[in-house]
Amino acid sequence: AQKITQTQPGMFVQEKEAVTLDCTYDTSDPSYGLFWYKQPSSGEMIFLIYQGSYDQQNATEGRYSLNFQKARKSANLVISASQLGDSAMYFCAMREVKDSWGKLQFGAGTQVVVTP
Amino acid sequence: NAGVTQTPKFQVLKTGQSMTLQCAQDMNHNSMYWYRQDPGMGLRLIYYSASEGTTDKGEVPNGYNVSRLNKREFSLRLESAAPSQTSVYFCASSPIGRAHEQFFGPGTRLTVL
Repeated sequence: AQKITQTQPGMFVQEKEAVTLDCTYDTSDPSYGLFWYKQPSSGEMIFLIYQGSYDQQNATEGRYSLNFQKARKSANLVISASQLGDSAMYFCAMREVKDSWGKLQFGAGTQVVVTP
Repeated sequence: NAGVTQTPKFQVLKTGQSMTLQCAQDMNHNSMYWYRQDPGMGLRLIYYSASEGTTDKGEVPNGYNVSRLNKREFSLRLESAAPSQTSVYFCASSPIGRAHEQFFGPGTRLTVL
């Protein structure tokens, strides 16, 4: 069964606007981690942000923030003040506690296109 | 630092041919991983190596073998390539105690005819 669901296959956003990328997950483990990666057209995967299941506060990294709603099992990525360089594929991923060596499970991704 | 490097960048094989994808990292990371990326499916873990000398199957290991040659290098071998193995392959590594922070290589685009 799919553990990570990203329901938005693609979206357009205007430069300087904020965009929210949806991610829901499914796990019965009490301890897990949630991640977002960016994949530009060049193909490399770039780690953006991490949220632990026991973290009290939402993670933030520069213009990226993670809206973590544990009860709803949702971990949406918010990109503030979009830039043209933010155009990329974005993947949500999860690591469950039983996969202690870092095995990640990825969603299908959301393609973001930032327009001038 | 080069980070995670992969060779080759592109490869075309005929069905039944074999090949090895090479991966090396210069960040002194303990754990290394091989993923494949197919359209609409995100990345799926093929094999991983928690530390030098150990390897374990991931989500889709069939048709692949791996070798953790030393701490730096983790290779993926296709013994008899099949068209279903056409994909983009990513190698990744993570430091000890920070398994959530995986650093990825640039990928290898493999086509099996």
